[in-house]
Amino acid sequence: ELKVEQNPLFLSMQEGKNYTIYCNYSTTSDRLYWYRQDPGKSLESLFVLLSNGAVKQEGRLMASLDTKARLSTLHITAAVHDLSATYFCAVDSNSGYALNFGKGTSLLVTP
Amino acid sequence: DADVTQTPRNRITKTGKRIMLECSQTKGHDRMYWYRQDPGLGLRLIYYSFDVKDINKGEISDGYSVSRQAQAKFSLSLESAIPNQTALYFCATSDLEGIDEQFFGPGTRLTVL
Repeated sequence: ELKVEQNPLFLSMQEGKNYTIYCNYSTTSDRLYWYRQDPGKSLESLFVLLSNGAVKQEGRLMASLDTKARLSTLHITAAVHDLSATYFCAVDSNSGYALNFGKGTSLLVTP
Repeated sequence: DADVTQTPRNRITKTGKRIMLECSQTKGHDRMYWYRQDPGLGLRLIYYSFDVKDINKGEISDGYSVSRQAQAKFSLSLESAIPNQTALYFCATSDLEGIDEQFFGPGTRLTVL
């Protein structure tokens, strides 16, 4: 069974600071997805990482994938309040099955 | 118009009632999914369908059934609702080809009293 673990689960950070969210998974996979969810809203796709060493950046967020370590990171640079949300990573199990989601990291950016 | 729509958006019902949640998509995707979200548990897969004739159970299918009426429509039914089925339900779609990125509907908040 594929397990996906995110840490931290809760993160409170000040505006302007940097931080990294980690996503570890338990079995081989070449595809990893990051989603954002605002309170009471749906999930919005942020990044799709399809190979070892993949790195993608959008604004203050940068995601990377190390398939050998079974690890993805979501790095936040100079956080702003608008980044406050819950971030999920999800892993494709390579079985054509479906995505396995982490429990999410709830991020709060404070002044 | 939204690519993935869900109806109803909110529903309050009583224990033992039959409930149907509907999902429609205009993205032309073959694959459709139903998830439930509970606080602190992330999203868990209930059922998925890779085409109209291919329906599969997910991680937590007990107490649920589905119907894929057409490529664009995928319904989730609770035959006899119980309080621990109170949750936020999401429908999602993805393309059979390509990167298989999933696109989510707005969600249905279901409360079972």
